[in-house]
This record gives sequence, structure tokens and C-alpha cells, in this order.
Amino acid sequence: NAGVTQTPKFQVLKTGQSMTLQCAQDMNHEYMSWYRQDPGMGLRLIHYSVGAGITDQGEVPNGYNVSRSTTEDFPLRLLSAAPSQTSVYFCASSYLGTASSGNTIYFGEGSWLTVV
Amino acid sequence: RKEVEQDPGPFNVPEGATVAFNCTYSNSASQSFFWYRQDCRKEPKLLMSVYSSGNEDGRFTAQLNRASQYISLLIRDSKLSDSATYLCVVPSAGTYKYIFGTGTRLKVLA
Repeated sequence: NAGVTQTPKFQVLKTGQSMTLQCAQDMNHEYMSWYRQDPGMGLRLIHYSVGAGITDQGEVPNGYNVSRSTTEDFPLRLLSAAPSQTSVYFCASSYLGTASSGNTIYFGEGSWLTVV
Repeated sequence: RKEVEQDPGPFNVPEGATVAFNCTYSNSASQSFFWYRQDCRKEPKLLMSVYSSGNEDGRFTAQLNRASQYISLLIRDSKLSDSATYLCVVPSAGTYKYIFGTGTRLKVLA
């Protein structure tokens, strides 16, 4: 059972470089999202999507772009990497639920990104 | 006030002890709540969901207090393997966003 697959698991970038974190899910979930997790800060929402062609900003969207061309894929692009973007990134997916009631969220294994 | 707040801990308890964590939330319209467990350098995984007053699964009990806007997680007969960070998650009503607490760290000591 693949679930949510993230790549790469580890990446070192130089300041100013761009890269894409890939995320794919095989559960036909409408909802996909990207979080970053920093010590003492918990998981913070970067961007999310409620279906193909629909994306929206989360709590910390600056410096990141997303697109959702298919139900399965939700890549996260770092436009010009900065040391402040050093973090662990988690992709997650779930069925959509309602706007006040959620569903179980399934996470990828995480991507450890270091910007030097 | 943060949308979801948790005591970061750590809670250090001996094996066999009972321990409880609370999580407060600010949006009274939220209908469901979740506890996730996260091990060091791993992804969060669902522990329990709470849709009404509470839920019980073996040694774990989650309670919801809507009047005071908090949920609690009770762990009975703690095991060494329960050592982890426990994350409270609340859907942000009206937005399709999930808001995570910063987590409560539990250490069960031999």
C-alpha cells in the first residue's frame, strides 16, 4: 500500500536555488496539503488543495508555489531557496469532509530540506 | 489566542502510570477533533478521532468538552512504547484547513 509518497527524502540546496518536492497519493483523496515542521512550532500549513485545479494558501505560503493538475499529484515548488526554509516538509492527503468536520489525514514520510 | 493550544511538556511518567493531556481550541464551530502520534523524525499518524463526547480505544480515551472548548487524551497503564509527541488537530471550521497544535511530548520511564 503506497499511500502518500514524497520525494526526495533528503535535499541540500544553496541559497537562491529552486527545487520541487514531489507528492503523490493513490487513495483518490480530494484534499492534499503541504506542511512544514520546525522545532517548537508544530506543523504549519503552507498550501492546500480541495481538488484538481484548486489550490489555496495556508499559514506560511510565501516562497512556495503549488499546482494540482491531477487528483494524485501535488508538487511543492521552492522558488528561490532561503536558509529560513530549512525544515522538514510533510505532504498529507485526506477525503474532503465538510468545512467544519474533517477526516483522517495521511502523511508522507517527510522531506528533510537544508538550505545553506 | 492560538486556534489550537497544547502544553508542550515533556510529561515524564513511570511505566504503568496514567497520564492526561489537554488541548484547547478557539473555534466553537469545529465539529471533529483528532489526536495524532508522532515519533521522532517520523510522520504523524492518527491515534484517535473524536466526533461527539468521546472515544475509547484500549488504553486510550479521548474526551471532548464543548462548553470549555477542550479535548483531552488519557493514557492508562503507560508503556515505554507510548513515548512520543501527541498532536491535537482541529479542522478550522469553514475553511477546509486542519490546524495542528504544537504537540505534547511524553516520555515513559522504566
